[in-house]
Amino acid sequence: NAGVIQTPRHKVTGKGQEATLWCEPISGHSAVFWYRQTIVQGLEFLTYFRNQAPIDDSGMPKERFSAQMPNQSHSTLKIQSTQPQDSAVYLCASSLGGLGVNQDTQYFGPGTRLLVL
Amino acid sequence: GDSVTQTEGLVTLTEGLPVMLNCTYQSTYSPFLFWYVQHLNEAPKLLLKSFTDNKRPEHQGFHATLHKSSSSFHLQKSSAQLSDSALYYCALRVANSGTYQRFGTGTKLQVVP
Repeated sequence: NAGVIQTPRHKVTGKGQEATLWCEPISGHSAVFWYRQTIVQGLEFLTYFRNQAPIDDSGMPKERFSAQMPNQSHSTLKIQSTQPQDSAVYLCASSLGGLGVNQDTQYFGPGTRLLVL
Repeated sequence: GDSVTQTEGLVTLTEGLPVMLNCTYQSTYSPFLFWYVQHLNEAPKLLLKSFTDNKRPEHQGFHATLHKSSSSFHLQKSSAQLSDSALYYCALRVANSGTYQRFGTGTKLQVVP
């Protein structure tokens, strides 16, 4: 089991460019989560999918951020017109999902470190 | 709204001394509480979870008891080890709430010889 895979591990973009981050959940997991981690804010929940459907995006910034899960084996987080304050480690996690999703153990990927210059 | 408070940003302890990291929460509904540990340059991992009042789950020598009367879920260990040095997050999930999961700001535990 390879665990949750995130690519790229590091990304540097210029201000105003677009960044797309990829996540491959653990096979058989139906819930996928995105988080952002910074030194100042700590860990912040962004959004999650269950069975590819968006369930809760209450943590997503209203502008420039979007997430999709086109199939059960990958999810993307897209940031348009990146700004320096978007610099952070973006973590993806997956869990079994199902009716007990609130109790599930989440397994985190290694993260993508995004730096916006 | 639902929230988690970790009052200590940094805790420095001598090896062998007991560990206690504080976590209190506010929640409208009955919550699920979690402790995650993140070692340097690694992803967060689940350490403990609890949904039942006054039950004490244990893992790797750590334990935490969910006390709904005081809205607390403090993390404890009887004797700190150097390898316990890490960032610890307390987190809250509330069924049927608007936001899936909220984290505290994290406590960095530094264990020194």
